[in-house]
Amino acid sequence: EVQLVESGGGLVQPGGSLRLSCAASGFTFSKYWMSWVRQAPGKGLECVATMNQDGSERHYVDSVKGRFTISRDNAKNSLYLQMNDLRAEDTAVYYCARVDDYGHFDYWGQGTLVTVSS
Amino acid sequence: DIQMTQSPSTLSASVGDRVTITCRASQSIRLWLAWYQQKPGKAPNLLIYKASSLESGVPSRFSGSGSGTEFTLTISSLQPDDFATYYCQQYNNYWTFGQGTKVEIK
Repeated sequence: EVQLVESGGGLVQPGGSLRLSCAASGFTFSKYWMSWVRQAPGKGLECVATMNQDGSERHYVDSVKGRFTISRDNAKNSLYLQMNDLRAEDTAVYYCARVDDYGHFDYWGQGTLVTVSS
Repeated sequence: DIQMTQSPSTLSASVGDRVTITCRASQSIRLWLAWYQQKPGKAPNLLIYKASSLESGVPSRFSGSGSGTEFTLTISSLQPDDFATYYCQQYNNYWTFGQGTKVEIK
């Protein structure tokens, strides 16, 4: 059974940093693109960052470029999102998602809440 | 960037109704469109991929159609479990979601 479990969310002050983790199991992690998707309270879904199997391709939404870094450790079956210079508008539930070979997101984690507030 | 626009934003319907949600892309995305269902406090769940392919385990009352810039999600007979928010997503050029359509009880 495919499982994605996020962790690392919490309350952080504006300008602060946070590192999210996503532990994957039930599939060969190293064979898939992976993505982080966020959802601000009461709002829609936004694909924040996506990367390929070996990290040679990484894509970011414009609003996080230069502040967020997606990475992975295939030996540990884990995906990460390093978030720096956090802003109030980064407050959201952050989901880890697996990217199917076609490109859609076929499995999602339960999400971890990031709150940026003083 | 490709923009995705869903309509309507909110839809009021009754159990047994046929429901259609539209998603338009700002440029052609060929068939690279997915539909997701999301319930409050839960992660999105994949329903349809490649415009019309039904994900395994998804009830057959859900169907998708379209190509290029215009797509539809149809629920043939709305069930109580279907009251939720639905999102389209393009993956022709990176990944973009529509703003969502909330299906509520009439």
